[in-house]
Amino acid sequence: KAGVTQTPRYLIKTRGQQVTLSCSPISGHRSVSWYQQTPGQGLQFLFEYFSETQRNKGNFPGRFSGRQFSNSRSEMNVSTLELGDSALYLCASTSSTGPTLYGYTFGSGTRLTVV
Amino acid sequence: AQSVTQPDIHITVSEGASLELRCNYSYGATPYLFWYVQSPGQGLQLLLKYFSGDTLVQGIKGFEAEFKRSQSSFNLRKPSVHWSDAAEYFCAVGAPNAGNMLTFGGGTRLMVKP
Repeated sequence: KAGVTQTPRYLIKTRGQQVTLSCSPISGHRSVSWYQQTPGQGLQFLFEYFSETQRNKGNFPGRFSGRQFSNSRSEMNVSTLELGDSALYLCASTSSTGPTLYGYTFGSGTRLTVV
Repeated sequence: AQSVTQPDIHITVSEGASLELRCNYSYGATPYLFWYVQSPGQGLQLLLKYFSGDTLVQGIKGFEAEFKRSQSSFNLRKPSVHWSDAAEYFCAVGAPNAGNMLTFGGGTRLMVKP
């Protein structure tokens, strides 16, 4: 079966712009989580969506937002981009309702570069 | 709140040698523990997980990990390393009241010498 698909793979944006990243989970997975990965801060949890509802949110500013659609696909949006938002953004899905009984399946990520 | 420490940022081992990657966690109750591996430019792949029961868990690719409550550790081991094991390894902890949210350690980059 298809894995977790993230689009686009690479993105270059200018400071102050906004960006939308997309994630299609494995079929049947209702939980989608987003993580930011940077060399300095490592992997940090952004938020989790389950059945179109945000269940958990990490410690990120309000410029970071997300949503989940009825088909479980998810998007995350970053407004007013800053240089520090340059990172690999990883999406992960799981079929478990919690707590992570089956482990995540991760996508390959979207590499965002802010210039 | 839970936290994870991976004390070794880089480790180099010779091919065929044994491997142990360290992971220490901080959590008030029995945590849910995971090891993931990431190859360059890729997402993370689950190696193994621990929730309860037998403290020695087997994973994919010949890896195993042992949960030691008294030491708050969950070290990853492999008896004989292959060149293809070169990657970055992440330990992570989850909690029963945190949905599917994981807290990751900083990672250990493994290099394998021929």
